[in-house]
Amino acid sequence: RKEVEQDPGPFNVPEGATVAFNCTYSNSASQSFFWYRQDCRKEPKLLMSVYSSGNEDGRFTAQLNRASQYISLLIRDSKLSDSATYLCAVIGLLSGGSNYKLTFGKGTLLTVNP
Amino acid sequence: DTAVSQTPKYLVTQMGNDKSIKCEQNLGHDTMYWYKQDSKKFLKIMFSYNNKELIINETVPNRFSPKSPDKAHLNLHINSLELGDSAVYFCASSQDHVREAFFGQGTRLTVV
Repeated sequence: RKEVEQDPGPFNVPEGATVAFNCTYSNSASQSFFWYRQDCRKEPKLLMSVYSSGNEDGRFTAQLNRASQYISLLIRDSKLSDSATYLCAVIGLLSGGSNYKLTFGKGTLLTVNP
Repeated sequence: DTAVSQTPKYLVTQMGNDKSIKCEQNLGHDTMYWYKQDSKKFLKIMFSYNNKELIINETVPNRFSPKSPDKAHLNLHINSLELGDSAVYFCASSQDHVREAFFGQGTRLTVV
């Protein structure tokens, strides 16, 4: 099983649509969870951290399910400017017990169409 | 002003050459990383340093040698470049190794 797996996409949606991304992780000792956004030919940028209780930032909602080892990102009322690749990222404890690794999913390309 | 800066932005070089990419962060972070993003856009960790100590070396060929002279810098030297090394290399830093990472703008390496 891959360390972090994401919906392969791509997703093509009309403006105003609601779109959901899912991501699963294999390391049950994972500590921190994030969603990043990467525009074409740019660096990944942090979109939001994902907290156990779930969190919202405007049109974006992130959720974590530790029991099932998945995280999700919901984008409501999607805008043209939301078009980008969305990457989930997980920080997991390495065997040996004292160091951590930040692992990214392969990313899901979202295109929002007018 | 740039939090994580890496140079050069573009690097075109011939097979067999040796090249270096430099990275500096002015955020006071303890942890720095090198990631490789290939043509399929998969962002794969190469190295992680925490307080100048190598934490992760993710089965990277020993032609790749990271050097961290201090906490604010993590450079990447690549010997005997191969065609398959062509990719975008991203430097990143985080406050510690359980916090979110901030990325540099990337170095697009093309080996011809």
